Amino acid sequence: SQTIHQWPATLVQPVGSPLSLECTVEGTSNPNLYWYRQAAGRGLQLLFYSVGIGQISSEVPQNLSASRPQDRQFILSSKKLLLSDSGFYLCAWSVTRDRGFSGANVLTFGAGSRLTVL
Amino acid sequence: SQQGEEDPQALSIQEGENATMNCSYKTSINNLQWYRQNSGRGLVHLILIRSNEREKHSGRLRVTLDTSKKSSSLLITASRAADTASYFCATGSHWGGKLIFGQGTELSVKP
Repeated sequence: SQTIHQWPATLVQPVGSPLSLECTVEGTSNPNLYWYRQAAGRGLQLLFYSVGIGQISSEVPQNLSASRPQDRQFILSSKKLLLSDSGFYLCAWSVTRDRGFSGANVLTFGAGSRLTVL
Repeated sequence: SQQGEEDPQALSIQEGENATMNCSYKTSINNLQWYRQNSGRGLVHLILIRSNEREKHSGRLRVTLDTSKKSSSLLITASRAADTASYFCATGSHWGGKLIFGQGTELSVKP
């Protein structure tokens, strides 16, 4: 069965410090991978998605970046954190045409990483 | 950018009552999905309805889709305290696999 791991679960970082959140998927190959951010009491904002190694699409211009060094590994980074980067970061994976639904991606989410920037 | 708008933002009901949440979207879609999020956790997929479908059932869940009004509703029948969570709709476009989520409805079911 497929599993998704995301760490760290909680992170408190000072403004201007670097960030690295990691996500790995097991039990599947060539998944679509996603990073979402959720501000307190709000919906999910798509940050990055990837359909293959080295292929990253950015949805929101910001001081964050993403990388996919291996097929099932997705990393979210920042060189210098801002206060506004605080939030709940969620990694997710999907397989296109999952369950036979043409063009439909059903997402499986990790447990999330809560980032507080002070 | 946000696509779906859920209504109401918050809903409080008694156990055994039905809960109805609505979602409106702006652009054409391939499919619409509903997800559930327990406090501080990741989202869990509940149900998917394709653009050529009008209604889907799964256990106590019933989803309807009206593409002419660009809206969907999620009905949870005979609610339980364990249904307390936030519920999000998400839309998938024709042009790729991205899902765009709405702001969510926070459901509280009191025992």
